[in-house]
Amino acid sequence: DAGITQSPRYKITETGRQVTLMCHQTWSHSYMFWYRQDLGHGLRLIYYSAAADITDKGEVPDGYVVSRSKTENFPLTLESATRSQTSVYFCASSGLGAQETQYFGPGTRLLVL
Amino acid sequence: GENVEQHPSTLSVQEGDSAVIKCTYSDSASNYFPWYKQELGKRPQLIIDIRSNVGEKKDQRIAVTLNKTAKHFSLHITETQPEDSAVYFCPSSGGSNYKLTFGKGTLLTVNP
Repeated sequence: DAGITQSPRYKITETGRQVTLMCHQTWSHSYMFWYRQDLGHGLRLIYYSAAADITDKGEVPDGYVVSRSKTENFPLTLESATRSQTSVYFCASSGLGAQETQYFGPGTRLLVL
Repeated sequence: GENVEQHPSTLSVQEGDSAVIKCTYSDSASNYFPWYKQELGKRPQLIIDIRSNVGEKKDQRIAVTLNKTAKHFSLHITETQPEDSAVYFCPSSGGSNYKLTFGKGTLLTVNP
């Protein structure tokens, strides 16, 4: 678990501001994922990446942007934060995508005022 | 897309009792069935998984059974302990290499 980290762990921002959540893994896993967790919705996939420079949308991508210039990093940007994006965000990584263990980061709690 | 339904949504048992959580999936192409445990305020972690060519797998007090015909798989926890209290998720990949569809989870409470 220490191999995947997220920063910041807590963030308070205002509506309309841009926010970037960072995710870093040390295993050289090919696949990385961003999920959001809200009460009553479980975990929902925002974006995923199969390798450096390869990203694609998940279930709830609207309002989010990702990039993956290096294998170990997968930042998630909220271009103009909205209150509905208040959530807990988890980053995860896996060597073989959805067909084996996904290792989750500790999460980032984001509050949009 | 894949649809995963998990039952029950909440489960309360006495310490030492058994607990069973069932997941039903829709995509017959699904071939990997993991169970994740998430303690309060913590990250989800894999506790056990099973592939479609295996009907049952055990690891100490936990086991997973798969019924591909009925499209459901279940988590069995025996001799429950207070530290088993958590939310359990049963995501399904639907045969996808990248996308896991999570259910809403089951909140298990083990009362001492």
